[in-house]
Amino acid sequence: ILNVEQSPQSLHVQEGDSTNFTCSFPSSNFYALHWYRWETAKSPEALFVMTLNGDEKKKGRISATLNTKEGYSYLYIKGSQPEDSATYLCASPHGSGNTGKLIFGQGTTLQVKP
Amino acid sequence: EPEVTQTPSHQVTQMGQEVILRCVPISNHLYFYWYRQILGQKVEFLVSFYNNEISEKSEIFDDQFSVERPDGSNFTLKIRSTKLEDSAMYFCASSRQGASTDTQYFGPGTRLTVL
Repeated sequence: ILNVEQSPQSLHVQEGDSTNFTCSFPSSNFYALHWYRWETAKSPEALFVMTLNGDEKKKGRISATLNTKEGYSYLYIKGSQPEDSATYLCASPHGSGNTGKLIFGQGTTLQVKP
Repeated sequence: EPEVTQTPSHQVTQMGQEVILRCVPISNHLYFYWYRQILGQKVEFLVSFYNNEISEKSEIFDDQFSVERPDGSNFTLKIRSTKLEDSAMYFCASSRQGASTDTQYFGPGTRLTVL
């Protein structure tokens, strides 16, 4: 059974700090890695879908890297702002190639203090 | 920008009652999903749906659960005879193609409380 893990579970930073957190997943039978940003009472927002080893994607101050050989992805936030406070989820599809069944990590909850 | 909507945002029910959770996926999407998150646990997959039939379901999705696309816009999850352990946040999602690389767009969730 595919197991996706995230660390740390929670993170408290000051406004302006840069931060990063980790998602780890089994490196065998890799198809994709999805990152979501989830604010309370809102829909989880899709950030990135990563597929290629060495891939790096960027959206504003948020970027992500992917290492499929060792089975991890990093999410970086540069110059954190209070509005970045949210839970960041990663998920990987389970099973054979064309499946939409996502297996989620437990999330990293980020709190940015003004 | 198109979005997935869900109603109600919060549903409280008595154990043993039936509930129907409703979702309106993004209009040109063909694949639909239900996930849930029990408080303090990971988001977990329940079922995927394509072309008016279930394409995959988890071991959680037993005979107590059913899904339906009753018309061209709604996608529903029915839970018969609810149990205390069904209390969770239920998310609907949709995607255009259903591939592992396809983005799934999530609704804001329905919080189900079973008393």
